Amino acid sequence: DQQVKQNSPSLSVQEGRISILNCDYTNSMFDYFLWYKKYPAEGPTFLISISSIKDKNEDGRFTVFLNKSAKHLSLHIVPSQPGDSAVYFCAASAGSGNTPLVFGKGTRLSVIA
Amino acid sequence: DAGITQSPRHKVTETGTPVTLRCHQTENHRYMYWYRQDPGHGLRLIHYSYGVKDTDKGEVSDGYSVSRSKTEDFLLTLESATSSQTSVYFCAISESDEKLFFGSGTQLSVL
Repeated sequence: DQQVKQNSPSLSVQEGRISILNCDYTNSMFDYFLWYKKYPAEGPTFLISISSIKDKNEDGRFTVFLNKSAKHLSLHIVPSQPGDSAVYFCAASAGSGNTPLVFGKGTRLSVIA
Repeated sequence: DAGITQSPRHKVTETGTPVTLRCHQTENHRYMYWYRQDPGHGLRLIHYSYGVKDTDKGEVSDGYSVSRSKTEDFLLTLESATSSQTSVYFCAISESDEKLFFGSGTQLSVL
């Protein structure tokens, strides 16, 4: 059973507009969430994270929102740029120690110029 | 790539042959991981290590074994490769079991 779900396999957005990528989780023990970005032929790279004690974390054009009651998080990219075109993975952790990150299946974002 | 080297970068092999992928890190991080990425499945954990000689299974460990005899090296072995193991394999490292840093990947094709 998938513990981290990214229900949109792909998303297409016009340059300059907002991109919103969604992620849902089922395990209430998750307390730390991350977003990774992956370009073709490269490894995923860390983008932004949020702890369960917060509901928002911002880093430049990227903001992650966490709604614990709904077990939902979202990544907002404003404004979207063509270089943001990539696959975005949501990941969740149930705490440090021997509990590896659980990843969603990813959402492919295409930003159209 | 945060001091992570995966080798080989590409490999083509035949069904039934053994294959070993190597991950080498220069960061002295405690945790090391092997993931595979497949279309429609995202990143799935194969095995991971939380220290020298300490390893554990992930969600898709069948058909794979690992070894970690030194902090810097984590080996993934396919004892008898099958076509279903054709995939892109990523090694990752972390110090706190959060915020993983990934290598560039190994494209493995089993014919």
